[in-house]
Amino acid sequence: EAAVTQSPRNKVTVTGGNVTLSCRQTNSHNYMYWYRQDTGHGLRLIHYSYGAGNLQIGDVPDGYKATRTTQEDFFLLLELASPSQTSLYFCASSDAAIYEQYFGPGTRLTVL
Amino acid sequence: GDSVTQMQGQVTLSEDDFLFINCTYSTTWYPTLFWYVQYPGEGPQLLLKVTTANNKGISRGFEATYDKRTTSFHLQKASVQESDSAVYYCVLGDRNNYAQGLTFGLGTRVSVFP
Repeated sequence: EAAVTQSPRNKVTVTGGNVTLSCRQTNSHNYMYWYRQDTGHGLRLIHYSYGAGNLQIGDVPDGYKATRTTQEDFFLLLELASPSQTSLYFCASSDAAIYEQYFGPGTRLTVL
Repeated sequence: GDSVTQMQGQVTLSEDDFLFINCTYSTTWYPTLFWYVQYPGEGPQLLLKVTTANNKGISRGFEATYDKRTTSFHLQKASVQESDSAVYYCVLGDRNNYAQGLTFGLGTRVSVFP
């Protein structure tokens, strides 16, 4: 069973704050993804990576940076958080781009 | 580009009712189609996958077949239980454009009451 963990599970910050969301997968998957989930918009892809040091832009990248430091670890960075980034963030991993993705439990971020 | 449409935003049923969720897709090549399910407080998880048109995916009493002629991929279950209450996502993978990854529909919230 694929295992994807995320931390923190909940985070509250203020406008202009600096936030890092962490994701780790322990299944040796090549691909990792960051999504945000909002009512009325479903799941939207922010960034993804197909290996350590690689970063690809998703569909809604504005205001987000990401970094893949190892095969296991993928980080999402919000350097100047805004209230519009209040959302539920999911990390996922997969063996290849169109194979099934395994999701983490999510991080709920609130930007005041 | 690729797209997935789920017209039903919400479905409300009683236990033992028949569930049918519509999904249509648009892609230029050969899709792999998935249904994901998301229970409250959890991340989405794979429910079933179909890689070939007219083949049936079956899991946990749910089944889906994709029809290349009508570009449809409907999910159904003969008799739902309260534990099936969740959000169901129709998801498309395009094997000719795999760098794009998966395309998710907006989801259908299914509520089953005893």
